[in-house]
Amino acid sequence: SQELEQSPQSLIVQEGKNLTINCTSSKTLYGLYWYKQKYGEGLIFLMMLQKGGEEKSHEKITAKLDEKKQQSSLHITASQPSHAGIYLCGATRYSGGSNYKLTFGKGTLLTVNP
Amino acid sequence: DTAVSQTPKYLVTQMGNDKSIKCEQNLGHDTMYWYKQDSKKFLKIMFSYNNKELIINETVPNRFSPKSPDKAHLNLHINSLELGDSAVYFCASSQVPTGEQYFGPGTRLTVT
Repeated sequence: SQELEQSPQSLIVQEGKNLTINCTSSKTLYGLYWYKQKYGEGLIFLMMLQKGGEEKSHEKITAKLDEKKQQSSLHITASQPSHAGIYLCGATRYSGGSNYKLTFGKGTLLTVNP
Repeated sequence: DTAVSQTPKYLVTQMGNDKSIKCEQNLGHDTMYWYKQDSKKFLKIMFSYNNKELIINETVPNRFSPKSPDKAHLNLHINSLELGDSAVYFCASSQVPTGEQYFGPGTRLTVT
């Protein structure tokens, strides 16, 4: 079963509109990461959240982690075409010894129409 | 300067061949990774090395063999390539296993 569920799978918005992408886990997360991927390119790190209730912002993108550390949301204010791409949430889980594993959700494809 | 680089960017080869993908990072990170992104864009970890030591080895066919000659390099060698190996392979690195990861541009492997 998929450890991280992202919703929606795809999203089309008009430029200037706000939008939210959600990432949910059935287990408590050690750390939650948001990445952006443009077609044919690698992933770009956006933000990392580790504490329950934590919120971080970068330019027009805000990410929050809930108190239970099982759900995160990514909010984009006044979207622009440059925000288009695939947004992936990733979660770190302890996997024994000194090892941690980063697993990803399936991603949300965002299209911003001018 | 490119932080995490991969070569080649594109690789087209026939079934049964052996190929390698190289990855180098100049960030001074201790941990490096290989991921596979399939046709459905699902990104899944394959291997992770910390200080040249293998720490994560997911359920991957043993035709895939990572090699880390030093902390800055993690290469992926694939034997007897199969059609299902076609995917985009990403290399990544982080300072520590729990830190944010920086990804390379990916290598698009096509097996015909």
